[in-house]
Amino acid sequence: KNQVEQSPQSLIILEGKNCTLQCNYTVSPFSNLRWYKQDTGRGPVSLTIMTFSENTKSNGRYTATLDADTKQSSLHITASQLSDSASYICVVSPPEGGYNKLIFGAGTRLAVHP
Amino acid sequence: EAGVTQSPTHLIKTRGQQATLRCSPISGHTSVYWYQQALGLGLQFLLWYDEGEERNRGNFPPRFSGRQFPNYSSELNVNALELEDSALYLCASSLDGGRAGEQYFGPGTRLTVT
Repeated sequence: KNQVEQSPQSLIILEGKNCTLQCNYTVSPFSNLRWYKQDTGRGPVSLTIMTFSENTKSNGRYTATLDADTKQSSLHITASQLSDSASYICVVSPPEGGYNKLIFGAGTRLAVHP
Repeated sequence: EAGVTQSPTHLIKTRGQQATLRCSPISGHTSVYWYQQALGLGLQFLLWYDEGEERNRGNFPPRFSGRQFPNYSSELNVNALELEDSALYLCASSLDGGRAGEQYFGPGTRLTVT
C-alpha cells in the first residue's frame, strides 16, 4: 500500500468551477506536507507547504487543508482557469527530513475545459 | 535568474544501450537530486549529490549512477537500459541537502527505451 495516495486519479471540470483534490497518507508524524503543480513537460512547482501543526494554507486560488486525525489533506481550487490544467502532487516529508526522503503521491491529473 | 536546466529534453535509446542525462542547478545551489517519474507512479528518489559527493541513493540497481562536477552540475548515467527505464527523469536542486531552503525542479528528460 502506498504511503501517499491521491484521488481521483483524473478529473475534468469546466472553466470557472471549483474542485477539490484528495490526499490520504499513512506517514505520521511528518515534517511537512506539500502540494505541487506539474504542468505537462515541466517539473513540479510548489504550491503550498504545511507543517504537522497547521491545518490550512492558501496560495491565491489554491487552498490546502490538513486533518492530522484522519490523515487527509485536500487541495481546493477556486474559480478554475484553463491554466490550472496540470497534475497535482501531494508530497509528505518524514520527520527525519531531507529532500531524499520525500514520499510522493502519484498525482491527480486535472483538465479544465472551456 | 535561470532555473534548473536539463538536457536533452527527449532521449530515445534501445534496450541494452547507455543513456546520459545532464542537469545544471540554480546558481549557488550545491545539492542536486535525481528522480524517476514513471507513468502513473509518484516520483521515486534516485540519487542525491552535494558538494561533489554522492550523499544517498534510492532503491535502484547499480546500473543507475551519476556524478556531480566541481561547478555543481550533474550527470545521471543509466547502463544496460531496460524497457521499464522509460520514464521522465527529473533533476532538482537546493541550497543544501537538509530541510532548509526550497527545492526547485527542472523540466525533466523524457527517456524512451525501445
